[in-house]
Amino acid sequence: EDQVTQSPEALRLQEGESSSLNCSYTVSGLRGLFWYRQDPGKGPEFLFTLYSAGEEKEKERLKATLTKKESFLHITAPKPEDSATYLCAVQVKRYNFNKFYFGSGTKLNVKP
Amino acid sequence: EAGVAQSPRYKIIEKRQSVAFWCNPISGHATLYWYQQILGQGPKLLIQFQNNGVVDDSQLPKDRFSAERLKGVDSTLKIQPAKLEDSAVYLCASSFGSGAGAGYTFGSGTRLTVV
Repeated sequence: EDQVTQSPEALRLQEGESSSLNCSYTVSGLRGLFWYRQDPGKGPEFLFTLYSAGEEKEKERLKATLTKKESFLHITAPKPEDSATYLCAVQVKRYNFNKFYFGSGTKLNVKP
Repeated sequence: EAGVAQSPRYKIIEKRQSVAFWCNPISGHATLYWYQQILGQGPKLLIQFQNNGVVDDSQLPKDRFSAERLKGVDSTLKIQPAKLEDSAVYLCASSFGSGAGAGYTFGSGTRLTVV
């Protein structure tokens, strides 16, 4: 059964305290892994797409990496404005279309 | 580029009533999705359209939920009759295609409360 699991559920950091969020997956036919940021009352906002093990993508204080079983979102020296829920999703091939499965997210709170 | 538009933003109804949500995707996006996001959970796909045809509705509770996408542009999602467990945010998303790497653009969602 396709499954996407994110950990931790919630993470509280002090400003400047670096950490990592985890997204582990058990799916067949992976076509891509996506990271999204979701602010309260808003829809998810696209951050990164990773396609193959070993790939890395960076954007400001965020860096996403991918292995064959999991992805990490590293946050370096976070600021309060990085507080949000971070969602990962996997895109898999099913019959003649692609399907997305989302994890439950990690709620990040960065204190000044 | 205008984003994905959804309305209404909020809706409160009593159980057993009906409700409809509207979505206008980004111009030119052929693929449209409706997701249900229950508080504290990730989005769950309800239905996926490619132009005006249904690609995947395997997780749509068809006894009470229905969706249509007329002329391959706007879409409406209806719930009739609503249950308490339908309380959630209903997100619409669109993408240019459904191939590998086609990331979504989400709307801000409609928050439904069933009392």
